[in-house]
Amino acid sequence: ELKVEQNPLFLSMQEGKNYTIYCNYSTTSDRLYWYRQDPGKSLESLFVLLSNGAVKQEGRLMASLDTKARLSTLHITAAVHDLSATYFCGSSGGSNYKLTFGKGTLLTVNP
Amino acid sequence: DGGITQSPKYLFRKEGQNVTLSCEQNLNHDAMYWYRQDPGQGLRLIYYSQIVNDFQKGDIAEGYSVSREKKESFPLTVTSAQKNPTAFYLCASSSWDPGQETQYFGPGTRLLVL
Repeated sequence: ELKVEQNPLFLSMQEGKNYTIYCNYSTTSDRLYWYRQDPGKSLESLFVLLSNGAVKQEGRLMASLDTKARLSTLHITAAVHDLSATYFCGSSGGSNYKLTFGKGTLLTVNP
Repeated sequence: DGGITQSPKYLFRKEGQNVTLSCEQNLNHDAMYWYRQDPGQGLRLIYYSQIVNDFQKGDIAEGYSVSREKKESFPLTVTSAQKNPTAFYLCASSSWDPGQETQYFGPGTRLLVL
């Protein structure tokens, strides 16, 4: 059974600081996804990582994938308040369709 | 505009009642999914469908049923057998095309039990 673990589950940071969210998964995965969820809203796709060593960047967020370590990271650079949200990673395992999600990381960026 | 719509936004269920949540997409996606989210939790897969007239159980299918009669539509019925249905329900869809497998989510339906 595929398990996906994120840490930390709660993260409070100051504006301008850097931090990393970690996503570990237990079985071989073809794809790793990162999503953002604002309070009371749906999930917004951020990144999909398809191969070992893949790195994608959008604004202050950068995601990477190490399939050998079964680890993905979401790095936040010079955080701003607008990045406050819950971030989820999801792993496809060996499936073409099913995603298993972590419990999410609630990020709060304080002025 | 292409996207996924879910209705209603809020739904109230009485004890012993079956209720149906609607999910429609105009993205021409083959695969559709239903997830349940409980407060402070991640998403758990209820059912998914790869093609019309076919669907598979996810991790928590008990007390739920689905149908896929049209490519665009994947309704979810929460039956009276689901004893703890209060949750946020999210529908998603994705393409089969390589490199286009991202699941896109609808706005969600919040189900409450009276």
